[in-house]
Amino acid sequence: ETGVTQTPRHLVMGMTNKKSLKCEQHLGHNAMYWYKQSAKKPLELMFVYSLEERVENNSVPSRFSPECPNSSHLFLHLHTLQPEDSALYLCASSQELWSRAQNTEAFFGQGTRLTVV
Amino acid sequence: ILNVEQSPQSLHVQEGDSTNFTCSFPSSNFYALHWYRWETAKSPEALFVMTLNGDEKKKGRISATLNTKEGYSYLYIKGSQPEDSATYLCALNTGNQFYFGTGTSLTVIP
Repeated sequence: ETGVTQTPRHLVMGMTNKKSLKCEQHLGHNAMYWYKQSAKKPLELMFVYSLEERVENNSVPSRFSPECPNSSHLFLHLHTLQPEDSALYLCASSQELWSRAQNTEAFFGQGTRLTVV
Repeated sequence: ILNVEQSPQSLHVQEGDSTNFTCSFPSSNFYALHWYRWETAKSPEALFVMTLNGDEKKKGRISATLNTKEGYSYLYIKGSQPEDSATYLCALNTGNQFYFGTGTSLTVIP
């Protein structure tokens, strides 16, 4: 138990559906992240939020839309996805921006396994 | 795109054996290196953060070393146990972004 909770754990959706992934942390962290892991590929950073403001968007298609209503919650809204978007989506949080501080650890959720049919 | 390479991709060892694997990265981009342990259906769990050349860190039977000049880190597991079976990920922090390797999948056979 890392203190970062993701729901749902598994999601199957059609290409015309709209769904949302949820991430919650009560660690008092100020930065939150969405990562994507496709089969046989490294974790890819999608979005970074610091103090509820988006600070990074790594050229992610607009069919993925993040939302950070407060420092404890992060959402990833999904619409008109493609089968190649099927992957494990991981949320993480850290006390401060992970890349800016040498010794800051990121804490990960268990991920949402998404299948687009 | 910056490459962080981990080798081997997968490894099977007998219980009680010691093992090690490698994370290689471009030394010019080094700011910090993280090791994570990721069991199936669980969250990646932080093992070590390494920041200084020559760093050696230890947690129980697991230890890691760092060479920033040549751009590699080793992870060692002494006397492997079945519960060590997991994917071990390294991540390079360049001070601007994180780059993950694809991991080494370790299976410890009882």
